[in-house]
Amino acid sequence: GESVGLHLPTLSVQEGDNSIINCAYSNSASDYFIWYKQESGKGPQFIIDIRSNMDKRQGQRVTVLLNKTVKHLSLQIAATQPGDSAVYFCAENLWAGANSKLTFGKGITLSVRP
Amino acid sequence: EPEVTQTPSHQVTQMGQEVILRCVPISNHLYFYWYRQILGQKVEFLVSFYNNEISEKSEIFDDQFSVERPDGSNFTLKIRSTKLEDSAMYFCASRTGDYGYTFGSGTRLTVV
Repeated sequence: GESVGLHLPTLSVQEGDNSIINCAYSNSASDYFIWYKQESGKGPQFIIDIRSNMDKRQGQRVTVLLNKTVKHLSLQIAATQPGDSAVYFCAENLWAGANSKLTFGKGITLSVRP
Repeated sequence: EPEVTQTPSHQVTQMGQEVILRCVPISNHLYFYWYRQILGQKVEFLVSFYNNEISEKSEIFDDQFSVERPDGSNFTLKIRSTKLEDSAMYFCASRTGDYGYTFGSGTRLTVV
């Protein structure tokens, strides 16, 4: 079946280092991808998105890379800070008008060591 | 910045009881969603709603679940007879006509 999944369940990085979180998706027709951050007891918080007609998009300290050939999505966080510690989810969207919805992958926990 | 508001933040209910989870989506959004997240698992789609009717629902969204937008501002999820396995975080989301999804902070439902 179709699925969105993450390669690693946890990631521990040193404060100040760069973090890379990877995600594989299986639906080649997905047209939009989002990275969410979820802190304990809170809802998914938008980090950055990318449409399928792009392969890279940069935000403040974050970059998302999309490789449609291998159906791979990554989130790069520059100069990781303690406040970046959270669970990160990738999500894919298959555009279908009113039937559009997000499908989430399994979360990966990012732990930042001081 | 506009927010999706969910109430209550935590709901404890006895098995077999009915619960209603409430959401106030962003005012100019057109599409509405409920997702749930069982502790330690990924966020799962339950149902989407547009133009006062359900657009799509998942296998999880069985006859015990219903949604309503009674007054043009609130969007509710009702579980008719709760089961232990309904314990989860329930997230409401809304979006405009394009891709801009916004999620609420969730309601933690505990069924005892």
